[in-house]
Amino acid sequence: AQSVSQHNHHVILSEAASLELGCNYSYGGTVNLFWYVQYPGQHLQLLLKYFSGDPLVKGIKGFEAEFIKSKFSFNLRKPSVQWSDTAEYFCAVGNDYKLSFGAGTTVTVRA
Amino acid sequence: GAVVSQHPSWVICKSGTSVKIECRSLDFQATTMFWYRQFPKQSLMLMATSNEGSKATYEQGVEKDKFLINHASLTLSTLTVTSAHPEDSSFYICSAFGGAIFYEQYFGPGTRLTVT
Repeated sequence: AQSVSQHNHHVILSEAASLELGCNYSYGGTVNLFWYVQYPGQHLQLLLKYFSGDPLVKGIKGFEAEFIKSKFSFNLRKPSVQWSDTAEYFCAVGNDYKLSFGAGTTVTVRA
Repeated sequence: GAVVSQHPSWVICKSGTSVKIECRSLDFQATTMFWYRQFPKQSLMLMATSNEGSKATYEQGVEKDKFLINHASLTLSTLTVTSAHPEDSSFYICSAFGGAIFYEQYFGPGTRLTVT
């Protein structure tokens, strides 16, 4: 079974700061990797996904993530955050049609 | 994008009663739907996989007799929490898997269940 770990439980930063959220997974086979975002009071939305090809994936709202196979990592980045990026961020690993989620990281952006 | 709805969004029930939660894919057909449970400040835990026209597949540790899942059509799956107890209070989220893109799930807004 795969497991997903997110290193940061809560990240607080100011607008225009850069954001990087760590995600590591444990699974020996081929996986599909996802980052989801959950804004306050809203449902989960897909930020970006990696299936194969270029390990640097660009998603919506200026987010990107890099798949490093040797490190079993899929870290999320945004060069300059906005107040509206305040949300819960979940890394997920997909295998056999199922998703395993990390514990999530709460990101608070102060204006 | 694909839209998934859940009803109700919030429900309070008394201990010992049953409550049904609906999950609908509004603009696409979903052969597979998933049911998750989310505790406060925690991740989503997959409870079961629901396939249209067949029995649901439950994850280890999830009581299938307590959490009844029915996927009667390509756009509707229901989760019934039977004989609810306070420990069943949680946030239940469904997702629908559909379209041409492999593995992409579209999530509903969730249902907050409180058992008193």
